[in-house]
Formats: sequence, structure tokens, C-alpha cells
Amino acid sequence: NAGVTQTPKFQVLKTGQSMTLQCAQDMNHEYMSWYRQDPGMGLRLIHYSVGAGITDQGEVPNGYNVSRSTTEDFPLRLLSAAPSQTSVYFCASSYSTGVYEQYFGPGTRLTVT
Amino acid sequence: GQQVMQIPQYQHVQEGEDFTTYCNSSTTLSNIQWYKQRPGGHPVFLIQLVKSGEVKKQKRLTFQFGEAKKNSSLHITATQTTDVGTYFCAGTDSWGKLQFGAGTQVVVTP
Repeated sequence: NAGVTQTPKFQVLKTGQSMTLQCAQDMNHEYMSWYRQDPGMGLRLIHYSVGAGITDQGEVPNGYNVSRSTTEDFPLRLLSAAPSQTSVYFCASSYSTGVYEQYFGPGTRLTVT
Repeated sequence: GQQVMQIPQYQHVQEGEDFTTYCNSSTTLSNIQWYKQRPGGHPVFLIQLVKSGEVKKQKRLTFQFGEAKKNSSLHITATQTTDVGTYFCAGTDSWGKLQFGAGTQVVVTP
């Protein structure tokens, strides 16, 4: 099993550009989520999904869109990148809700100039 | 809403010493999870505590869940250089929502 994979590993964007961060898991997990990690602020939940076709907002959803058309994939879209979105983004999956162990992907380091 | 606070934010430890990091929630938690993130890496699950007053050990790591299920601690004995990293606690509220603390960054001096 590859576990949770994320692409790209690194990305530099100019302000106003859009892009999609990819996340896939091969563990048949229902619950998937996106976090951003900034120094001193821990992991903050952006969006999450409890199953295909179901998504919901987390703590910091503004400027991001998600969709979940399959169990395996959970892409995160930045609509119009801003310097405040410079961060490390982690995708995670688990068997169900937050009650279960979260498996994290390797992360995407995004810089917006 | 639920707030999970972790202290200290930074911990400098001499190799061989013990230290403790603490996690406190403003609300009662269903469970608490602990993760470790090595520098440049991603968070990796360490353990989950569910019962009030529960204590679990993993080699030199001791995890405790408070009686009121609003706080937790991680105690590391005889710190080694392999313990370097950031330790996160994450609490689940009664709706199944998981919230991470800001983490304790551990630096070990040989």
C-alpha cells in the first residue's frame, strides 16, 4: 500500500494564480481531510470529507475549495492564491471521523509570491 | 468552540533527561491522540487514549489522560537524540471533530 500520497511536493505560485493540490489514498478510508501547518500554529483543518460526495468546512476554509468524487481522491483547490496561503499542506485519511488514527501524506510546501 | 492548548511550545532537553509536555482542552474530549513529526516530515500517529485516567506506555514514552478527560500529558524519560521533533496532541469532541494543539517542539542537546 502506498498509503496517502500528495503531489506536488513543492510549488511556487504568483499572487492570483490558481492550482490544485492532489491527494490520494489506497486504504479505502471514508474520512479525508486537509490541514495547513504554519509555524507556532499547529495543524489547522481546512476542509474534510466523511465520504464520496460529502464535504464540509473546517477551521480555515476561506480561499479553498474541495470535492470528493471518489473514495480515493480528495483534491484541494486554491482559487486565487494569496501570500497568506504560503504554508505546508497535509492531507490525511482515516477509517472514519476524527475518532480514528489519522494517516498523513508527505505534505506540499507552497510558496505564494 | 473546542480549544486544545499545548505547553510548552518549545522544550530544550539535555540527552538523558526527562521532560513532560501537556495538553489541555476547554471542553471534555471523547479521546485524545498523540502524534510525532520529525523535522521536515509529516505527523505520525503514536497513540490514542479513550478512558478517563488511562495511562499507556511505549518504551520510554508515558501517555496519560486526565480523570475529567480535559487534559493529557506525554512524559519522555532518558531523552535520546531520536526524540527530536514536534509532538502534537489532538482531541476529539463529542461530534467526532478532531482538533490539534499547536505542538511542542523538542530539541535535544547531546
